Amino acid sequence: QSVLTQPPSVSAAPGQKVTISCSGSSSNIGNNYVSWYQQLPGTAPKLLIYDNNKRPSGIPDRFSGSKSGTSATLGITGLQTGDEADYYCGTWDSSLSAVVFGGGTKVTVL
Amino acid sequence: QVQVVESGGGVVQPGRSLRLSCAASGFTFRSYAMHWVRQAPGKGLEWVAIISYDGSDKYCAESVKGRFTISRDNSKNTLFLQMNSLRAEDTAVYYCARDLSLLFRGIKDWGQGTLVTVSS
Repeated sequence: QSVLTQPPSVSAAPGQKVTISCSGSSSNIGNNYVSWYQQLPGTAPKLLIYDNNKRPSGIPDRFSGSKSGTSATLGITGLQTGDEADYYCGTWDSSLSAVVFGGGTKVTVL
Repeated sequence: QVQVVESGGGVVQPGRSLRLSCAASGFTFRSYAMHWVRQAPGKGLEWVAIISYDGSDKYCAESVKGRFTISRDNSKNTLFLQMNSLRAEDTAVYYCARDLSLLFRGIKDWGQGTLVTVSS
């Protein structure tokens, strides 16, 4: 059971938008920055979003992040077949003194 | 460019030890926190441990506490994970990764991983 809760899967047609939620508590998301990771099949994860809503260089603006209270959201617009992957949220948990990840969300492009 | 390359994985019997290494290049190693993150076959990401840029702060997951130790040699740009008392549930691909900052801010650069299989 992950400390952060994500939906197991989301799907949408090409060109559409999907959002992935990440729910936590005051000891993690509520008081720490959230980051998001994309893991394409058979590859290492890649950082998509850090500090709740910042994109590393090279990450298209189709990917966006937001945070409100103890929840965070990743948005992907203009969905492409190449976006089919597993997505994970992560943050620091001050009570555990540990980095925690969500269980992952599989994005399917219909 | 930034590279982190893990080594040391393999098949090991339960109860035995293994030491993973991670060679870093393309960035100022001593300026960044480093992580070990693992992924069991078909499962999600599980964070294992973090060490601050200078090695003064170390934290690890409850599941490995007392068995795994993270360390670094900034003179050799190398990260280590000493794994003792290995269990079947430690079987996973182990990723070495660089953080964005001195401690935790986001895990920016990941290696390709090294597979550890714990089996008799």
